[in-house]
Amino acid sequence: QQQVKQSPQSLIVQKGGISIINCAYENTAFDYFPWYQQFPGKGPALLIAIRPDVSEKKEGRFTISFNKSAKQFSLHIMDSQPGDSATYFCAASWGGGADGLTFGKGTHLIIQP
Amino acid sequence: EAQVTQNPRYLITVTGKKLTVTCSQNMNHEYMSWYRQDPGLGLRQIYYSMNVEVTDKGDVPEGYKVSRKEKRNFPLILESPSPNQTSLYFCASSKQGYEQYFGPGTRLTVT
Repeated sequence: QQQVKQSPQSLIVQKGGISIINCAYENTAFDYFPWYQQFPGKGPALLIAIRPDVSEKKEGRFTISFNKSAKQFSLHIMDSQPGDSATYFCAASWGGGADGLTFGKGTHLIIQP
Repeated sequence: EAQVTQNPRYLITVTGKKLTVTCSQNMNHEYMSWYRQDPGLGLRQIYYSMNVEVTDKGDVPEGYKVSRKEKRNFPLILESPSPNQTSLYFCASSKQGYEQYFGPGTRLTVT
């Protein structure tokens, strides 16, 4: 049972454009929703995270939008740059993170110059 | 520098030969976990530990063992590796389970 569904699997965006990656979850007990960025040959690194008590969180060019009723959240990358080319994973956790993170399957993002 | 280290980074072994992948963190984190990453499947949790001597199974624990005798170390043990355990393995740590810091990964090939 996949508890976090991520789409699209791959995405190509022109430099300066907006990249949008979507995730949907099933477990209503989830209370923490992070996004991780992974470059080839590296471990995932925390990019931005949100709790369900807010609908949006912005850090620089990265924004998480959260829709609790729809059980969906998304990552928006504004003014996308070639350096943003990476694999992005959404994840979810609950109960103080005791059970760790449940990850989506990842989105391979390519920003074309 | 705060970090999670894993050794070895690359390992090629044969079926049935016991191996251990070490993981160490210098951030005094209570929580540590192991994930495997496979193409098209994302990251799946193998085992986690909430503190010394406290470990529990994740989503894909079959064929793996762990131990947590010290706070900083969380080794992953494959008693009898099989080809389906060929994967990229990541160790992670966090103060609680939320903001996890990942190691650089260990690429394991079992022939």
